[in-house]
Amino acid sequence: DAMVIQNPRYQVTQFGKPVTLSCSQTLNHNVMYWYQQKSSQAPKLLFHYYDKDFNNEADTPDNFQSRRPNTSFCFLDIRSPGLGDAAMYLCATSRAATNEKLFFGSGTQLSVL
Amino acid sequence: GEDVEQSLFLSVREGDSSVINCTYTDSSSTYLYWYKQEPGAGLQLLTYIFSNMDMKQDQRLTVLLNKKDKHLSLRIADTQTGDSAIYFCAETLEYGNKLVFGAGTILRVKS
Repeated sequence: DAMVIQNPRYQVTQFGKPVTLSCSQTLNHNVMYWYQQKSSQAPKLLFHYYDKDFNNEADTPDNFQSRRPNTSFCFLDIRSPGLGDAAMYLCATSRAATNEKLFFGSGTQLSVL
Repeated sequence: GEDVEQSLFLSVREGDSSVINCTYTDSSSTYLYWYKQEPGAGLQLLTYIFSNMDMKQDQRLTVLLNKKDKHLSLRIADTQTGDSAIYFCAETLEYGNKLVFGAGTILRVKS
């Protein structure tokens, strides 16, 4: 059974039109992460939540926001998607914030037209 | 600094062994990981090694860690066509769970 679930699998949006990607987990993990992976590149951490505490990476653009309304769900909001934001977005979870394995979802492939 | 490097491409014949190499720069890394990514899919954790170990074996997978040289390798015995994928090496930094990934090695298995 999938433990980290991302919806939708593929998302198409228009340039400048806000889009939300969702992630849910059945592991009851404390930490949830969002990674961005552009074609043929390594995944890059955007931000993570430890419980309700939000931790943004220094180089994550302001255009990217996140919400975690409860333990199970975490959302990635892109306020004004640009063509350069087309990528695979990967959600991951871990039980604790240090020295713990990460479990990844299958990802959402975002296209921006 | 944080930098993980991998070779870009590896091609092997079915049944042969594959060895994927990785170098990293942060000597404080506590865990080092190998993830597998099939086309259009997310990352699947294959195996990991704690930094105080030098070898870990898990069925067809063998991980070797040379901490002095900051070199990590993944050996896949009896490589199958289903092993064709991108393999990412990643390190986790000492003070947190931030994973720093290499750019990935494309493994192509020819039947």
